Amino acid sequence: QKEVEQNSGPLSVPEGAIASLNCTYSDRGSQSFFWYRQYSGKSPELIMFIYSNGDKEDGRFTAQLNKASQYVSLLIRDSQPSDSATYLCAVRMADGLTFGKGTHLIIQP
Amino acid sequence: DGGITQSPKYLFRKEGQNVTLSCEQNLNHDAMYWYRQDPGQGLRLIYYSQIVNDFQKGDIAEGYSVSREKKESFPLTVTSAQKNPTAFYLCASTGTVNAEAFFGQGTRLTVV
Repeated sequence: QKEVEQNSGPLSVPEGAIASLNCTYSDRGSQSFFWYRQYSGKSPELIMFIYSNGDKEDGRFTAQLNKASQYVSLLIRDSQPSDSATYLCAVRMADGLTFGKGTHLIIQP
Repeated sequence: DGGITQSPKYLFRKEGQNVTLSCEQNLNHDAMYWYRQDPGQGLRLIYYSQIVNDFQKGDIAEGYSVSREKKESFPLTVTSAQKNPTAFYLCASTGTVNAEAFFGQGTRLTVV
C-alpha cells in the first residue's frame, strides 16, 4: 500500500516562531512532492512544490526533500496567525496524487 | 479565468436517492480526480481519469460512479449503495505529469 504519513497534530507554535511540518512517504519511485494549505471548510491551495533533493525557498516558506530518507518537510518562518490551517502533504505516485491526512497547525498570538 | 468549477456548493440527498456532482475545468488538463474528505480527515481518492473515456477506481470507489465523455467534464454520481455519503467532495485536475493539482471549491453533501 502506497502511503503518505503526517503527524495530525495539533501543532501549536508561538507567533513569530518557525513552524516545522513533516511528511514521510512509502513509494521510493515518487518524483513530485507538494504542500497544500487548507482552511476549515475550504478547498486546498498549493503552497509549495519540490522535485529535487535539498531546499526550496519561497518567501516565508521552505520545502525540504530527502529522497533517500523518503522525507519531505515544510518550514514556515515568522509564523502568523493567518498561517493557522491544516497542511496537507501530497506525493505524486503512478495512479495520481496521494495525500497525507494533514497536520493541524495553530499559531498562538 | 481558467479554473475548476464544482456545483452545487451544497447538496442534500434523501435516503435511497442517487445524486450527481458536477465538475468542469477549462484548464485543458488531461487528468481529473475526485476526492472525499470527512471531518478532521485527509483526502481519499474515489476515482481518477487520465484521458477521455477512461477512468480508474481509487481507494474508496464502492457506491460511486463516474464518466469522462469530455475532457472538460468529470461528473461523480453518489449512488444509493453508498451508505455513508455525508462528506465534503473535492474535484481536482492536473496537467503535465509532475504538475500540481488544482482544486474546485468543493461540494458538501448531506444525507437528510
